[in-house]
Amino acid sequence: GQNIDQPTEMTATEGAIVQINCTYQTSGFNGLFWYQQHAGEAPTFLSYNVLDGLEEKGRFSSFLSRSKGYSYLLLKELQMKDSASYLCAVRDSNYQLIWGAGTKLIIKP
Amino acid sequence: IAGITQAPTSQILAAGRRMTLRCTQDMRHNAMYWYRQDLGLGLRLIHYSNTAGTTGKGEVPDGYSVSRANTDDFPLTLASAVPSQTSVYFCASSAGGEGDTQYFGPGTRLTVL
Repeated sequence: GQNIDQPTEMTATEGAIVQINCTYQTSGFNGLFWYQQHAGEAPTFLSYNVLDGLEEKGRFSSFLSRSKGYSYLLLKELQMKDSASYLCAVRDSNYQLIWGAGTKLIIKP
Repeated sequence: IAGITQAPTSQILAAGRRMTLRCTQDMRHNAMYWYRQDLGLGLRLIHYSNTAGTTGKGEVPDGYSVSRANTDDFPLTLASAVPSQTSVYFCASSAGGEGDTQYFGPGTRLTVL
């Protein structure tokens, strides 16, 4: 079966750095996405990786290792507004997105 | 309209009733999707449409139907609602092609009693 694993919840301090991991086992791989979802709102796109390596976008970076079936989202200089759930999704061989259950990130002052 | 809109925002429905959730996008995206989101689970694909006039089944299609008469609209119908269909429903769209990003509507919170 297809599976995306992420930690259920993480806590970090304002101004710090946090890394959210995602491991996947899917039938085929055509890219990995990270989305942010604030409580009660829709998911919004953060990043896309299809080749191995690090993609940096401001305070957020995303890393992919296809051979390990592994990705992480790195958030730097954490702000209170970063409190949200972070969703990892993999596009499989049918070009459908398989979603993880999300990681709830709690930021403390 | 800017982006994707969904209606209603929320709804309480008696079991056995028929309900249509509406979704409209103004981005001229080819592909549209319906997901449900339940606590502790990832988004699950119900139905999708790669282009106007075509639809396909996702991971959890039973009890739901869709139509895609034009590019902009993608309604989701529950023919006879059951309590297990209580969920938050998100519509999404994407332009299509490799690496395309899905953009989500604000969601519909549906409660079936």
